[in-house]
Amino acid sequence: KAGVTQTPRYLIKTRGQQVTLSCSPISGHRSVSWYQQTPGQGLQFLFEYFSETQRNKGNFPGRFSGRQFSNSRSEMNVSTLELGDSALYLCASSSPLTDITDTQYFGPGTRLTVL
Amino acid sequence: DAKTTQPNSMESNEEEPVHLPCNHSTISGTDYIHWYRQLPSQGPEYVIHGLTSNVNNRMASLAIAEDRKSSTLILHRATLRDAAVYYCILRDVGNGGSQGNLIFGKGTKLSVKP
Repeated sequence: KAGVTQTPRYLIKTRGQQVTLSCSPISGHRSVSWYQQTPGQGLQFLFEYFSETQRNKGNFPGRFSGRQFSNSRSEMNVSTLELGDSALYLCASSSPLTDITDTQYFGPGTRLTVL
Repeated sequence: DAKTTQPNSMESNEEEPVHLPCNHSTISGTDYIHWYRQLPSQGPEYVIHGLTSNVNNRMASLAIAEDRKSSTLILHRATLRDAAVYYCILRDVGNGGSQGNLIFGKGTKLSVKP
């Protein structure tokens, strides 16, 4: 099976702009989670989608949003970018209905730089 | 999910075994012990998980203490490619299955010397 793919891999934006990141999960996986990784805060959970519904949400401002499509692909959007949003954004997919421990499979991430 | 404690860093020589410890003294009966690792410039990668018994797979072995308050990830022969940050994470499967996000601590940074 192909792994989790994320596009784009690298992105440079300026403050105030918005950005959309895309994630394609492993075939058959219906859960997609998003994480932000920064040197200072480490890996932090943003939100999780399952069957097009947001099931869990981390402690991030409303500028961070996401959605999931019927084919399980997911997008996350950050509006009004701030310098502190510069980070590696990671997507993970899983199959909680068939895997009781909900093992997460991560993509390579999108490196976002905000200038 | 309950909290885990890991050393900040460890060093190993290439082709020698590595034992990465993790303490989880508040583990509950329905917590699975998961290990992930993150190689430089990559996303985290699932390594192994277990509940009570020791587990082996092609990547590593997981040794779980009898009281389950600690566990050890064992890399039998470290290679340069094993240099990564290793995360020990507990996943609660109570109420019919694990849900929610992974809670990453700072993990253990493993350096492998040639």
